[in-house]
Amino acid sequence: AQKVTQAQTEISVVEKEDVTLDCVYETRDTTYYLFWYKQPPSGELVFLIRRNSFDEQNEISGRYSWNFQKSTSSFNFTITASQVVDSAVYFCALSETWNAGGTSYGKLTFGQGTILTVHP
Amino acid sequence: KAGVTQTPRYLIKTRGQQVTLSCSPISGHRSVSWYQQTPGQGLQFLFEYFSETQRNKGNFPGRFSGRQFSNSRSEMNVSTLELGDSALYLCASSGGTGGYYEQYFGPGTRLTVT
Repeated sequence: AQKVTQAQTEISVVEKEDVTLDCVYETRDTTYYLFWYKQPPSGELVFLIRRNSFDEQNEISGRYSWNFQKSTSSFNFTITASQVVDSAVYFCALSETWNAGGTSYGKLTFGQGTILTVHP
Repeated sequence: KAGVTQTPRYLIKTRGQQVTLSCSPISGHRSVSWYQQTPGQGLQFLFEYFSETQRNKGNFPGRFSGRQFSNSRSEMNVSTLELGDSALYLCASSGGTGGYYEQYFGPGTRLTVT
């Protein structure tokens, strides 16, 4: 069975600090996708990034960066120079892989989430 | 392009009643998935629909059901509501330029069962 673990339940930082959110996953599949979502107080999950299991390149998007290490089954997320608007719950998720015939796309297994609070 | 919309946004029901939640996907998206979010269990997959067919189902009792219409809009139904069904129900759609891997979520329906 697939599993996603976000070790940090809550993180509190002061504005402009860098913060890293950890994500470790378990899967028996060789092909899979990893995601990060942000959930602000409004409740809507906002898509941040998708990474497939064959692409271990790190990615940077503005103040956000992601470090995917297949060898340690980790997909960590770093926010550089955090801002108050970054305060939210962040979820790491793993997609169910292709079965024979590859018909299932929509099943995501989520971690428990990390509550990030950025203080001014 | 309009995002995923869910109606109603808030709902209060009594134990034993049934409820129907609605989800309209992003235009052009054909896959719709439903998730339940509770403080105790986190985000859990309920089911996924594609072209009016249920393609995958999570570990929920038969009281939870859903369907998808020809225009890709989806509904989920919970019968004989229990207190533990109080949750935020999120709908997600996929199938646009990002492919079927990128799911875009709606704002959710917050259901309270009393």
